[in-house]
Amino acid sequence: QVQLQESGPGLVKPSETLSLTCTVSGGSITLYYWNWVRQSPEKGLEWIGFINHSGRTNYSPSLKSRVIISRDTSKNQFSLNLRSVTAADTAVYYCVRGDVSPDYWGQGTLVTVSS
Amino acid sequence: DIVMTQSPLSLPVTPGEPASISCRSSQSLLQTNGRNYLAWYLQKPGQSPQLLVYLGSNRASGVPDRFIGSGSGTDFTLKISRVEAEDVGVYYCMQAAQIPRTFGQGTKVEIK
Repeated sequence: QVQLQESGPGLVKPSETLSLTCTVSGGSITLYYWNWVRQSPEKGLEWIGFINHSGRTNYSPSLKSRVIISRDTSKNQFSLNLRSVTAADTAVYYCVRGDVSPDYWGQGTLVTVSS
Repeated sequence: DIVMTQSPLSLPVTPGEPASISCRSSQSLLQTNGRNYLAWYLQKPGQSPQLLVYLGSNRASGVPDRFIGSGSGTDFTLKISRVEAEDVGVYYCMQAAQIPRTFGQGTKVEIK
Protein backbone atom coordinates (compact mmCIF):
# COMPACT_ATOMS: atom_id res chain seq x y z
CA GLN A 1 0.00 0.00 0.00
CA VAL A 2 1.40 3.36 -1.05
CA GLN A 3 1.68 5.93 1.72
CA LEU A 4 2.81 9.55 1.59
CA GLN A 5 3.79 11.60 4.62
CA GLU A 6 4.50 15.33 4.64
CA SER A 7 6.95 16.79 7.12
CA GLY A 8 8.36 20.22 7.86
CA PRO A 9 7.87 23.34 9.96
CA GLY A 10 4.32 24.35 10.76
CA LEU A 11 5.23 28.02 11.12
CA VAL A 12 7.24 30.13 8.69
CA LYS A 13 8.00 33.83 8.92
CA PRO A 14 7.02 36.21 6.11
CA SER A 15 9.70 36.59 3.39
CA GLU A 16 11.35 33.33 4.41
CA THR A 17 11.34 29.97 2.59
CA LEU A 18 8.77 27.26 3.19
CA SER A 19 10.37 23.81 2.98
CA LEU A 20 8.46 20.54 3.09
CA THR A 21 9.43 16.94 2.43
CA CYS A 22 7.23 14.06 1.37
CA THR A 23 8.36 10.58 2.31
CA VAL A 24 6.92 7.85 0.12
CA SER A 25 6.57 4.23 1.21
CA GLY A 26 5.21 1.27 -0.70
CA GLY A 27 6.41 2.51 -4.05
CA SER A 28 9.37 4.13 -5.77
CA ILE A 29 9.39 7.80 -6.73
CA THR A 30 11.26 6.79 -9.88
CA LEU A 31 7.86 5.70 -11.08
CA TYR A 32 4.80 7.95 -11.53
CA TYR A 33 4.44 11.70 -11.08
CA TRP A 34 4.60 13.37 -7.67
CA ASN A 35 2.73 16.56 -6.91
CA TRP A 36 2.34 19.25 -4.32
CA VAL A 37 -1.17 20.61 -3.83
CA ARG A 38 -2.29 23.11 -1.23
CA GLN A 39 -5.68 23.99 0.23
CA SER A 40 -6.85 27.17 1.88
CA PRO A 41 -10.32 28.57 2.61
CA GLU A 42 -9.58 31.52 0.32
CA LYS A 43 -8.31 29.67 -2.74
CA GLY A 44 -9.61 26.14 -2.29
CA LEU A 45 -7.47 23.37 -3.79
CA GLU A 46 -4.49 24.74 -5.68
CA TRP A 47 -1.98 22.69 -7.68
CA ILE A 48 1.60 23.81 -7.11
CA GLY A 49 3.60 21.53 -9.38
CA PHE A 50 5.05 18.09 -9.95
CA ILE A 51 8.26 16.17 -10.41
CA ASN A 52 7.99 13.14 -12.61
CA HIS A 53 9.64 9.73 -12.68
CA SER A 54 12.64 11.03 -14.61
CA GLY A 55 13.07 14.15 -12.48
CA ARG A 56 11.39 16.61 -14.84
CA THR A 57 9.45 19.34 -13.10
CA ASN A 58 6.51 21.52 -14.02
CA TYR A 59 5.05 24.33 -11.96
CA SER A 60 1.96 26.46 -11.77
CA PRO A 61 2.72 29.69 -13.64
CA SER A 62 1.37 31.71 -10.72
CA LEU A 63 4.02 30.23 -8.38
CA LYS A 64 6.78 29.35 -10.82
CA SER A 65 9.07 32.22 -9.85
CA ARG A 66 9.13 31.10 -6.19
CA VAL A 67 8.92 27.29 -6.34
CA ILE A 68 11.38 24.46 -6.60
CA ILE A 69 10.39 20.80 -6.37
CA SER A 70 13.27 18.35 -6.02
CA ARG A 71 13.80 14.72 -5.07
CA ASP A 72 16.15 12.38 -3.29
CA THR A 73 15.74 8.95 -4.83
CA SER A 74 18.06 7.34 -2.24
CA LYS A 75 15.58 8.33 0.48
CA ASN A 76 12.47 7.96 -1.70
CA GLN A 77 11.51 11.52 -0.88
CA PHE A 78 10.56 14.62 -2.80
CA SER A 79 10.52 18.16 -1.52
CA LEU A 80 8.92 21.55 -1.93
CA ASN A 81 10.68 24.87 -1.49
CA LEU A 82 8.58 28.02 -1.73
CA ARG A 83 10.51 31.22 -1.19
CA SER A 84 9.47 34.73 -0.17
CA VAL A 85 6.29 33.55 1.51
CA THR A 86 3.46 35.81 2.63
CA ALA A 87 0.30 35.24 4.62
CA ALA A 88 -1.38 34.22 1.36
CA ASP A 89 0.77 31.05 1.39
CA THR A 90 -0.82 29.85 4.61
CA ALA A 91 -2.50 26.55 3.74
CA VAL A 92 -2.62 22.81 4.24
CA TYR A 93 0.00 21.33 1.94
CA TYR A 94 -0.49 17.87 0.45
CA CYS A 95 1.88 15.62 -1.44
CA VAL A 96 0.05 13.55 -4.04
CA ARG A 97 0.92 10.75 -6.45
CA GLY A 98 -0.19 10.76 -10.04
CA ASP A 99 -0.42 12.79 -13.22
CA VAL A 100 -3.75 12.61 -15.02
CA SER A 101 -5.60 10.99 -12.13
CA PRO A 102 -3.79 11.65 -8.84
CA ASP A 103 -4.75 8.83 -6.53
CA TYR A 104 -2.71 8.70 -3.33
CA TRP A 105 -2.66 11.76 -1.07
CA GLY A 106 -0.73 12.43 2.11
CA GLN A 107 -2.65 13.47 5.21
CA GLY A 108 -1.61 17.08 4.70
CA THR A 109 0.35 19.47 6.87
CA LEU A 110 -0.74 22.93 7.94
CA VAL A 111 1.79 25.66 7.29
CA THR A 112 1.11 29.07 8.77
CA VAL A 113 3.00 32.14 7.61
CA SER A 114 3.25 34.59 10.48
CA SER A 115 5.82 36.62 12.34
CA ASP B 1 -5.85 28.51 -16.94
CA ILE B 2 -8.84 26.20 -17.39
CA VAL B 3 -11.62 27.31 -15.07
CA MET B 4 -13.67 24.55 -13.46
CA THR B 5 -17.18 25.51 -12.37
CA GLN B 6 -19.24 23.22 -10.15
CA SER B 7 -22.92 23.40 -9.32
CA PRO B 8 -24.58 23.40 -6.96
CA LEU B 9 -22.14 24.52 -4.27
CA SER B 10 -24.35 23.07 -1.55
CA LEU B 11 -26.47 19.95 -1.87
CA PRO B 12 -28.74 18.72 0.95
CA VAL B 13 -29.61 15.09 0.29
CA THR B 14 -31.91 12.43 1.67
CA PRO B 15 -30.42 8.97 2.29
CA GLY B 16 -31.60 6.53 -0.34
CA GLU B 17 -32.32 9.27 -2.85
CA PRO B 18 -30.17 10.12 -5.90
CA ALA B 19 -27.91 13.15 -6.12
CA SER B 20 -26.12 14.86 -8.98
CA ILE B 21 -23.23 17.32 -9.24
CA SER B 22 -22.25 19.23 -12.37
CA CYS B 23 -18.76 20.29 -13.39
CA ARG B 24 -18.10 22.47 -16.41
CA SER B 25 -14.69 23.39 -17.80
CA SER B 26 -13.81 26.55 -19.72
CA GLN B 27 -11.97 24.45 -22.34
CA SER B 28 -12.44 20.94 -23.62
CA LEU B 29 -10.86 18.16 -21.57
CA LEU B 30 -11.19 15.64 -24.41
CA GLN B 31 -7.79 14.52 -25.60
CA THR B 32 -6.74 13.16 -29.01
CA ASN B 33 -6.55 9.74 -27.40
CA GLY B 34 -10.31 9.89 -26.84
CA ARG B 35 -10.04 10.27 -23.09
CA ASN B 36 -11.38 13.07 -20.92
CA TYR B 37 -8.82 14.23 -18.40
CA LEU B 38 -11.31 14.84 -15.61
CA ALA B 39 -11.29 13.36 -12.12
CA TRP B 40 -13.71 13.51 -9.20
CA TYR B 41 -12.72 13.55 -5.55
CA LEU B 42 -14.52 13.39 -2.23
CA GLN B 43 -13.03 15.08 0.79
CA LYS B 44 -14.66 13.75 3.93
CA PRO B 45 -14.50 15.91 7.06
CA GLY B 46 -10.98 16.00 8.48
CA GLN B 47 -9.53 13.89 5.66
CA SER B 48 -7.55 14.31 2.48
CA PRO B 49 -9.37 14.17 -0.86
CA GLN B 50 -9.93 10.63 -2.14
CA LEU B 51 -10.18 9.70 -5.80
CA LEU B 52 -13.64 8.53 -6.86
CA VAL B 53 -13.64 8.70 -10.65
CA TYR B 54 -10.85 9.14 -13.21
CA LEU B 55 -10.83 9.84 -16.95
CA GLY B 56 -14.36 11.15 -16.65
CA SER B 57 -16.17 7.87 -16.07
CA ASN B 58 -13.92 5.22 -14.53
CA ARG B 59 -14.48 4.37 -10.89
CA ALA B 60 -11.33 4.17 -8.80
CA SER B 61 -10.47 0.98 -7.00
CA GLY B 62 -12.80 0.25 -4.08
CA VAL B 63 -15.31 2.95 -4.97
CA PRO B 64 -18.93 1.75 -4.69
CA ASP B 65 -20.85 1.40 -7.93
CA ARG B 66 -23.44 3.95 -6.77
CA PHE B 67 -20.93 6.62 -7.90
CA ILE B 68 -21.27 7.23 -11.63
CA GLY B 69 -19.20 9.68 -13.63
CA SER B 70 -20.27 10.81 -17.09
CA GLY B 71 -19.78 13.54 -19.65
CA SER B 72 -17.31 14.65 -22.27
CA GLY B 73 -15.63 17.76 -23.55
CA THR B 74 -16.62 20.56 -21.22
CA ASP B 75 -19.64 19.14 -19.41
CA PHE B 76 -19.39 16.46 -16.73
CA THR B 77 -21.63 14.98 -14.06
CA LEU B 78 -21.13 12.90 -10.95
CA LYS B 79 -24.22 11.00 -9.90
CA ILE B 80 -24.81 9.11 -6.69
CA SER B 81 -27.58 6.63 -7.40
CA ARG B 82 -28.63 6.23 -3.75
CA VAL B 83 -26.97 8.48 -1.21
CA GLU B 84 -25.68 6.94 1.99
CA ALA B 85 -24.77 8.77 5.20
CA GLU B 86 -21.06 8.08 4.61
CA ASP B 87 -21.16 10.08 1.34
CA VAL B 88 -21.21 13.45 3.12
CA GLY B 89 -18.32 15.78 2.46
CA VAL B 90 -17.08 18.10 -0.26
CA TYR B 91 -16.85 16.87 -3.84
CA TYR B 92 -14.32 18.33 -6.26
CA CYS B 93 -13.66 17.94 -9.95
CA MET B 94 -10.15 18.39 -11.29
CA GLN B 95 -8.83 18.77 -14.82
CA ALA B 96 -5.51 17.37 -15.99
CA ALA B 97 -5.74 18.44 -19.62
CA GLN B 98 -3.47 21.43 -19.14
CA ILE B 99 -0.89 22.91 -16.82
CA PRO B 100 -1.74 24.18 -14.30
CA ARG B 101 -4.07 21.48 -13.03
CA THR B 102 -7.17 23.19 -11.67
CA PHE B 103 -10.01 22.23 -9.35
CA GLY B 104 -13.63 23.19 -9.04
CA GLN B 105 -14.80 25.21 -6.02
CA GLY B 106 -16.29 22.15 -4.38
CA THR B 107 -19.84 20.95 -3.70
CA LYS B 108 -20.74 20.35 -0.08
CA VAL B 109 -23.06 17.38 0.31
CA GLU B 110 -24.87 17.06 3.60
CA ILE B 111 -27.76 15.02 4.90
CA LYS B 112 -31.09 16.81 5.20
